Amino acid sequence: SQTIHQWPATLVQPVGSPLSLECTVEGTSNPNLYWYRQAAGRGLQLLFYSVGIGQISSEVPQNLSASRPQDRQFILSSKKLLLSDSGFYLCAWSVDRGGDTQYFGPGTRLTVL
Amino acid sequence: KQEVTQIPAALSVPEGENLVLNCSFTDSAIYNLQWFRQDPGKGLTSLLLIQSSQREQTSGRLNASLDKSSGRSTLYIAASQPGDSATYLCAVYSGYSTLTFGKGTMLLVSP
Repeated sequence: SQTIHQWPATLVQPVGSPLSLECTVEGTSNPNLYWYRQAAGRGLQLLFYSVGIGQISSEVPQNLSASRPQDRQFILSSKKLLLSDSGFYLCAWSVDRGGDTQYFGPGTRLTVL
Repeated sequence: KQEVTQIPAALSVPEGENLVLNCSFTDSAIYNLQWFRQDPGKGLTSLLLIQSSQREQTSGRLNASLDKSSGRSTLYIAASQPGDSATYLCAVYSGYSTLTFGKGTMLLVSP
């Protein structure tokens, strides 16, 4: 069966510090991968998605970047965190780009102070 | 731009009640609609996926309907239980690999 992992689970970082969040998927090949952010009082916002190694699409301009160094690994990064980067970050995967069910990881709670 | 609205934002009911959660979307050109459940501080769990050609889907005590022409979906929960307490999210897929989510309905079922 397929599983999706995210770490760390919780992170508290000062403004201006770098960020690296990791997501890995097991039990499937060539998944579509997604990064979402859920901020207080707002719905889930898609940040990035990837249909293959090295292929990243950004949905919104922001202080973050994403990379996919391996087939089942998706990394979310920032060089300098802002207060507004605080939120709950969720990674998800799907089999098919065409609207298949997306399966979500447990999330990372990021607090920027 | 697709927008998804969920009503009510919060709902509190006693155990055993049947209840309906509502979702509306502005662009009816969707491929499918999904309902998710999110427990506090956790990720999302997919409950039901309705393809655009379908009118409803059922799983256990859950039934979701879709009226694409009017831009509406409902999630019906029968005989609610305290374990159903969670936030329920509606999301529509309009293409280009992106889901658009509503802000959710926070459900509390009291014993």
